[in-house]
Amino acid sequence: GEDVEQSLFLSVREGDSSVINCTYTDSSSTYLYWYKQEPGAGLQLLTYIFSNMDMKQDQRLTVLLNKKDKHLSLRIADTQTGDSAIYFCAESGEDNQGGKLIFGQGTELSVKP
Amino acid sequence: DAGVTQSPTHLIKTRGQHVTLRCSPISGHKSVSWYQQVLGQGPQFIFQYYEKEERGRGNFPDRFSARQFPNYSSELNVNALLLGDSALYLCASSLGMNTEAFFGQGTRLTVV
Repeated sequence: GEDVEQSLFLSVREGDSSVINCTYTDSSSTYLYWYKQEPGAGLQLLTYIFSNMDMKQDQRLTVLLNKKDKHLSLRIADTQTGDSAIYFCAESGEDNQGGKLIFGQGTELSVKP
Repeated sequence: DAGVTQSPTHLIKTRGQHVTLRCSPISGHKSVSWYQQVLGQGPQFIFQYYEKEERGRGNFPDRFSARQFPNYSSELNVNALLLGDSALYLCASSLGMNTEAFFGQGTRLTVV
């Protein structure tokens, strides 16, 4: 079956790096995504990675993909208080349709000054 | 450029009533998907529409229905509302069926 798992909470100090982890079960997923959700808001697409890539870097964000272990991580460098939010990992599932995503429960990132 | 817009932003309904939620995708996007996000959980897929046809359906009862119009906007309808339907309903648009999805701000539905 399809399932995405994340740890629920992460607390870091401002200026440190944050690493949010995710495991997924559907090895046929073509895309893996990271979304950010601030309180009372919708989801903001942060970045995504194709399943044939190992790493993708986008400014302060680094995504690492280990296909063998079905493990995805998001590293945020120089974490700021404005990065406090819930981060969702999502996979595209076996149909590989960008509009049909399977989400984890989300990791709440708390950044302390 | 306008992003994905949803209306209304908030809604309160009584058990047993019917509700219609609306979504306008990003200009040029032809796919719209609907998700339900219950408090404290990740979004759950309800429907995907592409080129006005239903292309996918999640594990939701028949009380949930949707459609996509010629201008690619979409409506989500829920009949016979239950307390458990209280959630944030999110609409996402994508250029095609296999491209990244961009979400709107959602409609917060409260059923009392």
